[in-house]
Amino acid sequence: EADIYQTPRYLVIGTGKKITLECSQTMGHDKMYWYQQDPGMELHLIHYSYGVNSTEKGDLSSESTVSRIRTEHFPLTLESARPSHTSQYLCASSEGGSYNQPQHFGDGTRLSIL
Amino acid sequence: KNQVEQSPQSLIILEGKNCTLQCNYTVSPFSNLRWYKQDTGRGPVSLTIMTFSENTKSNGRYTATLDADTKQSSLHITASQLSDSASYICVVSDRGSTLGRLYFGRGTQLTVWP
Repeated sequence: EADIYQTPRYLVIGTGKKITLECSQTMGHDKMYWYQQDPGMELHLIHYSYGVNSTEKGDLSSESTVSRIRTEHFPLTLESARPSHTSQYLCASSEGGSYNQPQHFGDGTRLSIL
Repeated sequence: KNQVEQSPQSLIILEGKNCTLQCNYTVSPFSNLRWYKQDTGRGPVSLTIMTFSENTKSNGRYTATLDADTKQSSLHITASQLSDSASYICVVSDRGSTLGRLYFGRGTQLTVWP
């Protein structure tokens, strides 16, 4: 069983709303990531963090922001949701110090913006 | 351009049969290659990780091979079960940054019929 949790699992919300997707892990991992995944497409990295107070933008341009105030918590926020934000968002974590550590994924939040 | 290509895009097999999924990559410099299994509605789960010096690795009925010279990998599934129905994602990591950037394939959608 994965020790990384995402809430909510599903969210349908109107345009212009502020949204926060929650991600928590209990493994004490330093590295955390947010990915966006559309059906049949590859995962795209939108944000990552090496540790507390460290956040960086990923490869895919995103209007979202993240914060890392605690090791275990890595929330993603959309200030004003738009239909183009409709997608699945996956959070992941991994141990620091080596390239060869697997990423542990949450089960995702499926977001639909009306 | 660093890329990961998987084939076939989808595959249907009968329960109990074997199958092989392919992954070709152009990522350089190479650090490791990972295979993940993603069940519908769930996050990816790591099956194997192989570094440059490893050419085969098994995880139960899953056996991954790596040819770093030709930049090809395969995932062989033996005696398939209904629970093997999922998307199988090939991921290649480079050594070009502290993060060890990951390049994701689009996955092979495997369906196992009874």
